[in-house]
Amino acid sequence: DVKVTQSSRYLVKRTGEKVFLECVQDMDHENMFWYRQDPGLGLRLIYFSYDVKMKEKGDIPEGYSVSREKKERFSLILESASTNQTSMYLCASSLPRQAHEQYFGPGTRLTVT
Amino acid sequence: AQSVTQLGSHVSVSEGALVLLRCNYSSSVPPYLFWYVQYPNQGLQLLLKYTTGATLVKGINGFEAEFKKSETSFHLTKPSAHMSDAAEYFCAVSRYSSASKIIFGSGTRLSIRP
Repeated sequence: DVKVTQSSRYLVKRTGEKVFLECVQDMDHENMFWYRQDPGLGLRLIYFSYDVKMKEKGDIPEGYSVSREKKERFSLILESASTNQTSMYLCASSLPRQAHEQYFGPGTRLTVT
Repeated sequence: AQSVTQLGSHVSVSEGALVLLRCNYSSSVPPYLFWYVQYPNQGLQLLLKYTTGATLVKGINGFEAEFKKSETSFHLTKPSAHMSDAAEYFCAVSRYSSASKIIFGSGTRLSIRP
């Protein structure tokens, strides 16, 4: 079974803090994704990566950056957290030609106060 | 551009009743369509997918969906709801199987009444 793990289930940070969300997958997938999930808005893609050190912006990249130094790990960085970044963050991975079949982690619920 | 619209943010059915979750898509090219399910406190998992071929696709846990090009729909059904079906369901679309990303709908929360 593919396993995607996220470093924290719940996280509380203060406005202006730098926040790191970590995601690790154990199936040697090339593609990795970061989404945020908000009620009524579904999932919105923040960034994705199709290989080590490669990344592309998704639909809502503003205020976020990512890092992929190793194939199995994809980090989402909030340079200066703001209250409007309070959300559920989901990480996913997939094989390169099966991007529709994504395997998701359990999510990190981030609250910025 | 592609998009999906899920009709009804919350659907409630009685245990044993028919489940029908509606999804309409917009795509300028033949779409690939998917349903994902998110159980409480878990990530999403793929329920079923339509790529090519048979328009009626079967997924896990007794769910199925039918691709209707003329109606631009991909509704999800299950003949008899079970309490364990309570979850949030997301319809999604992509252009082709190797696309780098998929577009998710806003989700429908399914509640099951005893």
